Amino acid sequence: QVQLVESGGGVVQPGTSVRLSCAASGFTFSTYGMHWVRQAPGKGLEWVAVIWYDGINKDYADFVKGRFTISRDNSKDTLYLQMNSLRAEDTAVYYCARDRQQRLDHWGQGTLLTVSS
Amino acid sequence: QSALTQPPSVSGAPGQRITISCTGSSSNIGGGYDVNWYQQFPGTPPKILIYGDTNRPSGVPDRFSGSKSGTSASLAISGLQTDDEADYYCQSYDSGLSGYVFGTGTKVTVL
Repeated sequence: QVQLVESGGGVVQPGTSVRLSCAASGFTFSTYGMHWVRQAPGKGLEWVAVIWYDGINKDYADFVKGRFTISRDNSKDTLYLQMNSLRAEDTAVYYCARDRQQRLDHWGQGTLLTVSS
Repeated sequence: QSALTQPPSVSGAPGQRITISCTGSSSNIGGGYDVNWYQQFPGTPPKILIYGDTNRPSGVPDRFSGSKSGTSASLAISGLQTDDEADYYCQSYDSGLSGYVFGTGTKVTVL
């Protein structure tokens, strides 16, 4: 069965960097686009970024352009989100999700990132 | 500010039918992009409920249905059950933003 497991969250200071990972299994990772979506405590879902199956085409939400970079390693079935210049408002649970024809059909359990001094 | 607007809350008695609206614009729903709906319980990831405007994944009860007209979409829940208490989100693609967008979310309460 499809499984997505995020890691890399924790407590970090403002202005620092962190890389989130999402390990995929149960499907042919290299043939699917993948997303990052975040959810601040008590708030709604916020789309962050998408990367297509080949790792070449990517799109980002306006609020993260220039600070976050989505990437993937198809040889390791792993998705990444490099996050730089972190701010308190980046505090959220970060989910990875699989794309299937513009719908997010499988989600991981999420990893909590807290940006605080 | 989300490109898709939903009512913050909707409530109904057990057995009733409720609808949740999702209002967009010509750059997303009105542009013909698919609308998908997700259900989320506290502390758990979202789960897809409706895809491609009206389709249910296997395992989703037929009490849940989706529709779309113009720049808006709706999720209907008939025969409301206490287990339906959750947050619901619509989602589409926005050509103006060149990215995906979620609705503001709706909390469903069963009275």
